[in-house]
Amino acid sequence: EVQLVESGGTLVKPGGSLRLSCAASGFTFNNAWMTWVRQAPGKGLEWVARIKSKSDGGTKDYAAPVRGRFTISRDDSESTVYLQMNSLRSEDTAVYYCTLDLGRWGQGTLVSISS
Amino acid sequence: QTVVTQEPSLTVSPGGTVTLTCASSTGAVTSDYDPNWFQQKPGQAPRALTYNTNKKHSWTPARFSGSLLGGKAALILSNVQPEDEADYYCLLYYGGLGVFGTGTKVTVL
Repeated sequence: EVQLVESGGTLVKPGGSLRLSCAASGFTFNNAWMTWVRQAPGKGLEWVARIKSKSDGGTKDYAAPVRGRFTISRDDSESTVYLQMNSLRSEDTAVYYCTLDLGRWGQGTLVSISS
Repeated sequence: QTVVTQEPSLTVSPGGTVTLTCASSTGAVTSDYDPNWFQQKPGQAPRALTYNTNKKHSWTPARFSGSLLGGKAALILSNVQPEDEADYYCLLYYGGLGVFGTGTKVTVL
């Protein structure tokens, strides 16, 4: 059974940093493309970042609002994908979902940015 | 700034059919945009329904169908059930970057 478990969400001050983790199981992680999606309170879904498998080049893509501030990475030995978030802003407040190429979704982790 | 637009809300009767659409600010949607559709119920994570325009996941009920219609991506819900009441989002890809639609709230009444 595919499982995606996000962790790391918390309250952070503007300008701060945070790293989210997503532990994956139930599938061959090193072949998977992993995508982070977020949802601000009461708002719609926003595609954030994607990392391809190493065999597909390991390419990383970012949405414009997070490019240059967020970094997606993966540790295939730990079946974990990360989202390093720097220079956080109030508009980054959201539930962050880890997905297996948008097919399977985790339950999300809440990131709140406030002073 | 690319915008993907969906109907804000639609109402359908149980057993009826409703079509949700997904339009791109850049022009006609084709299969090259790899349209995906998702369902989200209150307090839950989204659930994927279709991908590659019209392919279904193993868990997707047969009454959900993805297609292209009049230059837009479409999700057709047939024989609608009360449990289909939810928010629905499409997603299109632009040069490898995903953009979600604005979302449609479907009410079953």
